[in-house]
Amino acid sequence: EDQVTQSPEALRLQEGESSSLNCSYTVSGLRGLFWYRQDPGKGPEFLFTLYSAGEEKEKERLKATLTKKESFLHITAPKPEDSATYLCAVLGSYNTDKLIFGTGTRLQVFP
Amino acid sequence: NAGVTQTPKFRILKIGQSMTLQCAQDMNHNYMYWYRQDPGMGLKLIYYSVGAGITDKGEVPNGYNVSRSTTEDFPLRLELAAPSQTSVYFCASSYSNVGQYFGPGTRLTVL
Repeated sequence: EDQVTQSPEALRLQEGESSSLNCSYTVSGLRGLFWYRQDPGKGPEFLFTLYSAGEEKEKERLKATLTKKESFLHITAPKPEDSATYLCAVLGSYNTDKLIFGTGTRLQVFP
Repeated sequence: NAGVTQTPKFRILKIGQSMTLQCAQDMNHNYMYWYRQDPGMGLKLIYYSVGAGITDKGEVPNGYNVSRSTTEDFPLRLELAAPSQTSVYFCASSYSNVGQYFGPGTRLTVL
């Protein structure tokens, strides 16, 4: 069965303090790994798609990387506006059209 | 483009009542999805559609029905509402499951 585990559940950072969020996955035939940002009371906002091990994507202070077992979302010099819940999801070949979501990491960045 | 729109934003139902959650997208996406999000549980797929006239069950379809008569619209029907259906409901769309775009959500309470 496809599974996604995100850690930590919550992370508190000082502004400028870089860190990484982890997404571990078990899936038969990874067809894509997706990162989303969700602000309180809003729908998830699409950030990145990664398709194969070794791939990296960047957007402003965020950088997503992928290995055969996990993905990391690196946050460099975060600002308070980066505070949100970050969700990871995978698309496997077994559940052909269905994303499996993790429960997210709630990030708080303090000035 | 308005993207993905959902109505209503909030709704309170009594046990046993029925209602339809509306979802529309103007991006000409072929895939559309309905999720529910409960605190600490992540996003769970209820139903999805890969095109007009085609729908399929997700992880948690019981108590819900969908239809897809046009590319743009994907309503979710709740029959005989139960307290267990209290949740936040998100509609999403994508082009062939590449990066789903979410609506703002409907917060439903069943009392």
